[in-house]
Amino acid sequence: NAGVTQTPKFQVLKTGQSMTLQCAQDMNHEYMSWYRQDPGMGLRLIHYSVGAGITDQGEVPNGYNVSRSTTEDFPLRLLSAAPSQTSVYFCASSYSKGSEQYFGPGTRLTVT
Amino acid sequence: QKEVEQDPGPLSVPEGAIVSLNCTYSNSAFQYFMWYRQYSRKGPELLMYTYSSGNKEDGRFTAQVDKSSKYISLFIRDSQPSDSATYLCAMSVRLDTGNQFYFGTGTSLTVIP
Repeated sequence: NAGVTQTPKFQVLKTGQSMTLQCAQDMNHEYMSWYRQDPGMGLRLIHYSVGAGITDQGEVPNGYNVSRSTTEDFPLRLLSAAPSQTSVYFCASSYSKGSEQYFGPGTRLTVT
Repeated sequence: QKEVEQDPGPLSVPEGAIVSLNCTYSNSAFQYFMWYRQYSRKGPELLMYTYSSGNKEDGRFTAQVDKSSKYISLFIRDSQPSDSATYLCAMSVRLDTGNQFYFGTGTSLTVIP
């Protein structure tokens, strides 16, 4: 199993540009989530999904959209990038919302 | 007050030392407790997962939970340079829609050969 995969590994955007961060898992996990990690702030939940077709907001959802059309994929879309969205983004998955989560390798995003 | 408090360190120890990493929390409803290891420029990797007070051992790692004091610890015996990483504690609480996770900010550990 590849586990949780994320693309791209690095990305530089200009303010106002949009892009999609990709996340996929091959463990047939129901629950998937997106976090951002900033120095001194820890991991903060952006959006999560408890199954295909179901998504909900986390702690810091503003400026981000998600969709879950399949069990395997959970892309994160930045609608209009802002410098405050410069961060490392992690996708995670688990068997259910209550069980331990497995993380992808992360995407380092810089918005200038 | 943050839900989960973790000393950021950095912590530097000689090879072979016993390492103690700690987190405190404020929400007595937390039921599940986890420790993650994160190497530089990598994603967090699950190390330990427990849901009860007491100790849980896995090789050189021991997770300890004290629910009465709202305190969890991770002990690393015979520490190795390969243990150098940031260690994140995490906890979850059951909500109507399922469990919600909370993470500490991480403690940076360096094991010196």
